[in-house]
Amino acid sequence: SAVISQKPSRDICQRGTSLTIQCQVDSQVTMMFWYRQQPGQSLTLIATANQGSEATYESGFVIDKFPISRPNLTFSTLTVSNMSPEDSSIYLCSVERGHTEAFFGQGTRLTVV
Amino acid sequence: QQQVKQSPQSLIVQKGGISIINCAYENTAFDYFPWYQQFPGKGPALLIAIRPDVSEKKEGRFTISFNKSAKQFSLHIMDSQPGDSATYFCAAAHTGRRALTFGSGTRLQVQP
Repeated sequence: SAVISQKPSRDICQRGTSLTIQCQVDSQVTMMFWYRQQPGQSLTLIATANQGSEATYESGFVIDKFPISRPNLTFSTLTVSNMSPEDSSIYLCSVERGHTEAFFGQGTRLTVV
Repeated sequence: QQQVKQSPQSLIVQKGGISIINCAYENTAFDYFPWYQQFPGKGPALLIAIRPDVSEKKEGRFTISFNKSAKQFSLHIMDSQPGDSATYFCAAAHTGRRALTFGSGTRLQVQP
């Protein structure tokens, strides 16, 4: 498995502001993923982040709204920009081990008021 | 093509009973099928996974059954316990798209 630390674990933010979520992994990984889990819903992939290249975004998610950084093989950040109440969700970082085995952080619970 | 359909949405089982959750997929390129368990306030935890070269995989009380021709797979929880009460997600992935596509989730409640 992998030890994945996400910060912050939760936050309450004002609309129109931005929040940066950090994801730290205990060892080097090639692929990191960011998911969103809306209240009571399933997980939806936001983007795939590889070190040294631009993140790849899924349909419905854009870089201006969810900029991602991947400065090295153990760390990534996701920023939720210009937040609205519809952005209230759990944001999850995931890493891949052993060719598709995916492990998740504990998530960041975001509430936008 | 990327969708994974999961049922039931919720499930109530008596302690000691068998919990069964089903998933179906469309994309024949999928070659990895994991199940995740999620407790409130926690991230999903990998429970068990299967690849299409086998029809069944068992780990303790948890068994995945896989039917390649029907494009279906299921999770069986034997001797269900109150501590198994959680939300369960099936998922699928393939070599060309390493990210997971998740089912809609099943909220399991095991009554004492």
